This record gives sequence, structure tokens and C-alpha cells, in this order.
Amino acid sequence: DAGVIQSPRHEVTEMGQEVTLRCKPISGHDYLFWYRQTMMRGLELLIYFNNNVPIDDSGMPEDRFSAKMPNASFSTLKIQPSEPRDSAVYFCASSPTGAKQPQHFGDGTRLSIL
Amino acid sequence: AQSVTQPDIHITVSEGASLELRCNYSYGATPYLFWYVQSPGQGLQLLLKYFSGDTLVQGIKGFEAEFKRSQSSFNLRKPSVHWSDAAEYFCAVGSSGGGADGLTFGKGTHLIIQP
Repeated sequence: DAGVIQSPRHEVTEMGQEVTLRCKPISGHDYLFWYRQTMMRGLELLIYFNNNVPIDDSGMPEDRFSAKMPNASFSTLKIQPSEPRDSAVYFCASSPTGAKQPQHFGDGTRLSIL
Repeated sequence: AQSVTQPDIHITVSEGASLELRCNYSYGATPYLFWYVQSPGQGLQLLLKYFSGDTLVQGIKGFEAEFKRSQSSFNLRKPSVHWSDAAEYFCAVGSSGGGADGLTFGKGTHLIIQP
């Protein structure tokens, strides 16, 4: 079975540019989560969706960040404009319905903003 | 607010020796607890989870963890480590409320295996 698929795996861009990260959750999972991992702050939840609807975006750092889930099989996390402090590994995870269901993580996108 | 503390940033263990990674959590109700492992350049893989019932849970790769409510701990153990266990280990807590919720992670413990 295919796991959570993220693209690109690596992204290097200059500050001020728009960055779009993509995620395809596991088929049948109706929860989707975006996390950010940095050395200083560890793993932080940015936003999560249930049935394509954003439920909690309190972790999104600022208005430069936005996330969408236009359908059950695709989500994007966009940063515009990007800044060097946005450099991190961004993970997408999905889980089936139910509080007891563990989350399955993608391999992440390593983002470097120069 | 829930929180997770992993007091050991790095741990070095000899191959074949036993392992215990510490995890303490703060949560107002019965927590859902998880251990994940992350190899370099990879995502997080679930090792085991605790929701209720038996406080000793078995996971993959020979790992186990014990939930101790009185100590607010969920320590991960393995009787004999292998070189392939070298990785970053994360403890996480999830809400026991209705529906899924985002996880709160500890800062991680980096496990080094000595030959």
C-alpha cells in the first residue's frame, strides 16, 4: 500500500519566493496533518484537516503560511513570501477516523530558504 | 495544555545492551501516547501506542513501553539493541477527546549505538 506521499523531497529557493509543498494522504484517511520540524522547536503541528475542512490552524506561524485541501487526496502548504527562518523539514501525516488511530507520516520536504 | 518531555537529548548504548528512553507527559485526562522513530532523511514510523488497558504495550522491532499514570511516564525499552536501532526517537501525546487531534511531540532522543 502506498504511504503518505510528499513532494518535493527537497526545495531550495531564495527568500521572497513562493513555496508550495504538496501532500497525498493514504487513501481512505480523512484526517490530514501538517507538521514542521526544526532543531530549535522540534516537531510542531501547523494545521490539520478533517474531511477536507481545516479544523485547527492555530499552529500556523503567520499569514505568510496557508494550507488547502481541495479534495480528499491532495493538500498543499504554501509560504508566500518565504523567509530564511522558514527553513525546516515539513511533514504531512494522515490518519483514519477515530481518536485512537495513529498518524502515518510522509518522508517530509526539506526546505531551505536562502 | 499538553506537553511531552524527553529529558535525554542523546543516549549512547553498546550493541546488545538494554535500552530505556524516558518520556514524561503532562495532560489533564487519560492521554493517548505514542512512540515514533525517525531514521535520517526519513519520516516518522510508529513503534507503538497506548490508549487504555494493559499498561505494558508491545511494539514493532522488539520495543515495548510501560505507561505509569502515577509518574506521568511512558518509557520505551528494548532488551538488546542492534546497530540498526540508531535513530531519533520521539514520544508524543494525543488528545483523548472525540475525533483525531494533532500530536504534541517531545524534542526527541538521539540514540547512538556503539559497536
